[in-house]
Amino acid sequence: GEDVEQSLFLSVREGDSSVINCTYTDSSSTYLYWYKQEPGAGLQLLTYIFSNMDMKQDQRLTVLLNKKDKHLSLRIADTQTGDSAIYFCAETDSWGKLQFGAGTQVVVTP
Amino acid sequence: DSGVTQTPKHLITATGQRVTLRCSPRSGDLSVYWYQQSLDQGLQFLIQYYNGEERAKGNILERFSAQQFPDLHSELNLSSLELGDSALYFCASSESGSDTEAFFGQGTRLTVV
Repeated sequence: GEDVEQSLFLSVREGDSSVINCTYTDSSSTYLYWYKQEPGAGLQLLTYIFSNMDMKQDQRLTVLLNKKDKHLSLRIADTQTGDSAIYFCAETDSWGKLQFGAGTQVVVTP
Repeated sequence: DSGVTQTPKHLITATGQRVTLRCSPRSGDLSVYWYQQSLDQGLQFLIQYYNGEERAKGNILERFSAQQFPDLHSELNLSSLELGDSALYFCASSESGSDTEAFFGQGTRLTVV
């Protein structure tokens, strides 16, 4: 099984908040990441959080980290149709190698 | 535009053949990573190079090899191709390899028929 787990699908109405959850296993990860992949495109880094932080906010994005439970979440406020994509949670080792989850497909409906 | 360039964008080849995928990292980035994205395996780390030297190896098959050249561009060689090698291959680069951010290219979509 994968070391990073996330739910596979999320449907959200335009204007609502989206919350994508992720669990990871490597407690030594220094940084945890959220990447976005739109159809036919590469991976875009959305945000990351340092492991000694609990929360990070960046415009519409809020990342919450619970180190005790190894749980990471990404909240997207005021979700727009342009937010429809696959979102990947990832942890990294000291060499910068990324271990990705399977990705959560977010579908935004009008 | 991430600044990481991968060529070609698409590649269709037959089983048993050999292909080379190319990656030009962002200017100044010393570390290059290769990842494979397939429907059944998801995003898997293959290999990392730092300033010309192999730094880390992941789930890379023996039929696959890579190298990083003095100008820091990297090539991923895939040989004796099988249908199951069909996937999207991503290259990423970062300044030192232990940075906060790796920048991804658009990927090369390989189809083996």
